[in-house]
Amino acid sequence: QSVLTQPPSVSGTPGQWVTISCSGSSSNIGINFVYWYQQFPGTAPRLLIYRNDQRPSGVPDRFSGSKSGTSASLAISGLRSEDEADYYCAAWDDSLSGRLFGGGTRLTVL
Amino acid sequence: EVQLVDSGGGLIQPGGSLRLSCVASGFTISHNYMSWVRQAPGKGLEWVSIIYRDGTTYYADSVKGRFTISRDHFENKLFLHLTNVRVEDTATYYCTMGTDSSHWGQGTLVIVSS
Repeated sequence: QSVLTQPPSVSGTPGQWVTISCSGSSSNIGINFVYWYQQFPGTAPRLLIYRNDQRPSGVPDRFSGSKSGTSASLAISGLRSEDEADYYCAAWDDSLSGRLFGGGTRLTVL
Repeated sequence: EVQLVDSGGGLIQPGGSLRLSCVASGFTISHNYMSWVRQAPGKGLEWVSIIYRDGTTYYADSVKGRFTISRDHFENKLFLHLTNVRVEDTATYYCTMGTDSSHWGQGTLVIVSS
């Protein structure tokens, strides 16, 4: 059972704007950076957002991250069919002295 | 170019031991934070362990006392030694680089079954 809570699924139509939430607590998201990963079936995850809102080179600016208090969000604008994938949030937890991943959110582009 | 190649997975009986390896190129493992992350079939990601630049290690509660993370500076390799494995350890294991896991290996599948 993940301590970081994500919705199991979200969906949208091409061109739409969607968000994926990640809810944590004061020992993880509240005091540490949040990271987001994208994973396609059968492949390794890819870093999408680091340090709450930073994009690695090569990640389109359609993807953006934000954090407020003990929650974080990943926003995807101008949704495309190739965005259909699983998305995970992650953060270090000071109480557990370990890293946590959210349960993952399956994005479906209708 | 940074590259990570995972290996060592396979079929193992409950209670057995196995050593996973991750060969790095394009950077020095001992100069970076390195982690192992696993993913059970059809499930989400689960962090397993991390080793800091100074050698400090941390483990998920689910593997503490059974798994050991280590590295070889000269071979530029990261290892995960699995002992007393359980059916629930069945997963694809990925090594990752950095506190942000900016780079991932392709994963190696461990199946624990009798």
